[in-house]
Amino acid sequence: DVKVTQSSRYLVKRTGEKVFLECVQDMDHENMFWYRQDPGLGLRLIYFSYDVKMKEKGDIPEGYSVSREKKERFSLILESASTNQTSMYLCASSPGPKLFFGSGTQLSVL
Amino acid sequence: LAKTTQPISMDSYEGQEVNITCSHNNIATNDYITWYQQFPSQGPRFIIQGYKTKVTNEVASLFIPADRKSSTLSLPRVSLSDTAVYYCLVGDERGDSSYKLIFGSGTRLLVRP
Repeated sequence: DVKVTQSSRYLVKRTGEKVFLECVQDMDHENMFWYRQDPGLGLRLIYFSYDVKMKEKGDIPEGYSVSREKKERFSLILESASTNQTSMYLCASSPGPKLFFGSGTQLSVL
Repeated sequence: LAKTTQPISMDSYEGQEVNITCSHNNIATNDYITWYQQFPSQGPRFIIQGYKTKVTNEVASLFIPADRKSSTLSLPRVSLSDTAVYYCLVGDERGDSSYKLIFGSGTRLLVRP
């Protein structure tokens, strides 16, 4: 079974802090994705990546950056957390159009 | 980039067949159609994927007409545990083999006793 592991299930941070959300997959997938999900808004794509070579913005990249130094690890970085970044963050990986999701990180920014 | 449109919500009763249709008028030649199920506080879970005609697995069937501009997820004999949000996704493979996968707003299915 494919395993996508997100480092924290729940996270509480303060406004202005730098926040790292980590995601690791064990199936050598080329594609990795970060989504955020807010009540009533579905999943919105923040960033995605193809291997370590390519990182590209999704629909809502403002306030976020990403790092993919190794193929299995895709990190989402909030340079200066703000309260409007309180959300559920979901990481996914895929070999193609079929996505495998982690359990999600519920981030609260106070 | 193919955008998808689905009904916002549907109601059904236990034991009924449920059909959820997704519209994707701008689907590209190489795109696959994939459906996911999501329960509260969990990541979406893959249900079924298809390219054309009909695909069936142990959970659902997927019907895709010849023009591929829509698809229908069919859930036979739903139970209360099928209450969830269902998303239709059209895979956007770019020339470099990477994928940009955008979710639509999903269909909230409520199954009543």
